[in-house]
Amino acid sequence: GAGVSQSPSNKVTEKGKDVELRCDPISGHTALYWYRQSLGQGLEFLIYFQGNSAPDKSGLPSDRFSAERTGGSVSTLTIQRTQQEDSAVYLCASSYGSSPLFGPGTRLTVT
Amino acid sequence: GDSVTQMEGPVTLSEEAFLTINCTYTATGYPSLFWYVQYPGEGLQLLLKATKADDKGSNKGFEATYRKETTSFHLEKGSVQVSDSAVYFCALSKKKGSTLGRLYFGRGTQLTVWP
Repeated sequence: GAGVSQSPSNKVTEKGKDVELRCDPISGHTALYWYRQSLGQGLEFLIYFQGNSAPDKSGLPSDRFSAERTGGSVSTLTIQRTQQEDSAVYLCASSYGSSPLFGPGTRLTVT
Repeated sequence: GDSVTQMEGPVTLSEEAFLTINCTYTATGYPSLFWYVQYPGEGLQLLLKATKADDKGSNKGFEATYRKETTSFHLEKGSVQVSDSAVYFCALSKKKGSTLGRLYFGRGTQLTVWP
């Protein structure tokens, strides 16, 4: 497709389980960003990938969170041992030389 | 560090009223500036951008001018419509190589327009 895609669109999981969220960036975009948006809150930066450079992980809230980007394309955000405070919409964006464009997000609910 | 400050919401206006949402930034160097919009139940969409001082971004009747002297990028629209009801986010980013680095967002401003 032409835009950033994310899957799943919705994920409900039990506290303590691990989850994986996927982001497919726009083809050719070398930069990829993950943010999360909690209910009624702003946009919280998580991690930024740029080409083959070391990612900027400074926004990851704890060591339960990790992300990888394979082959400079698809990215997976993994949350281990999920907690209720992890419930949020996780947004992915990509860019190449211009404005970052966002995907529709994955709504994560931890019960 | 780099940051964006946006006027607190919510903002409530009648249709055809004039809109201003204030945004100021702190950054070293020459950031690019953006306004993103989030309509109810939808994802973030790029509304407009400006990449250098005195540039004016515009889209859908919205405008914002990059003012380096006042470190501002205020969003304006001359006549709002009910369909403009959304949350508006101001953001900045700086070049990292051939692309843009992480986005720094303001906290968002909820706009509600009544008919």
